[in-house]
Amino acid sequence: QKEVEQDPGPLSVPEGAIVSLNCTYSNSAFQYFMWYRQYSRKGPELLMYTYSSGNKEDGRFTAQVDKSSKYISLFIRDSQPSDSATYLCAMSASRGGSEKLVFGKGMKLTVNP
Amino acid sequence: DAGVIQSPRHEVTEMGQEVTLRCKPISGHNSLFWYRQTMMRGLELLIYFNNNVPIDDSGMPEDRFSAKMPNASFSTLKIQPSEPRDSAVYFCASSFGVLNTEAFFGQGTRLTVV
Repeated sequence: QKEVEQDPGPLSVPEGAIVSLNCTYSNSAFQYFMWYRQYSRKGPELLMYTYSSGNKEDGRFTAQVDKSSKYISLFIRDSQPSDSATYLCAMSASRGGSEKLVFGKGMKLTVNP
Repeated sequence: DAGVIQSPRHEVTEMGQEVTLRCKPISGHNSLFWYRQTMMRGLELLIYFNNNVPIDDSGMPEDRFSAKMPNASFSTLKIQPSEPRDSAVYFCASSFGVLNTEAFFGQGTRLTVV
């Protein structure tokens, strides 16, 4: 079993839809959970960062972590064409040192106007 | 700030040739990461520097790969000799302190080895 699993999609939704992106993981030591957005031909950019379990909201974006189920989600409300990108989850057991970020393979999202 | 700057943006080379990828981290950042992204394996950490010192190179796939950071504003990733399976997008990222969770990525170098 891979450490981090993410459905690669692709996912296509109409503008205004609620989007749910998910990752599962196997390493119970993971404490830090991140979502990155990667536009075509660009580098990943940090979108949301959550420590341990719970929810975090930032505008139209909500990140959820359920450590008991080893499951994380990113919700996008009122999706816009500008949200079209690949979304990667990433996680780590600590914030620093030589602890590696482990990334999912990414889910390609297209929001159609 | 211009962000993390990588060069070249695209590189096409023949198998067996030496390839050098370059990175200028964000000024003031003292951690630097080299990643490789492929469809099959996703984004993988190759090597991590802190204060110009390589801390973890366990992700470097083979001895053909080497990385240096001669100063705080410049790093190179070299592949010698290159092989077709090295074709990928290589990203450099930097962060302040040792915070791997808040790294800023460059735009990447798309390497094609034919």
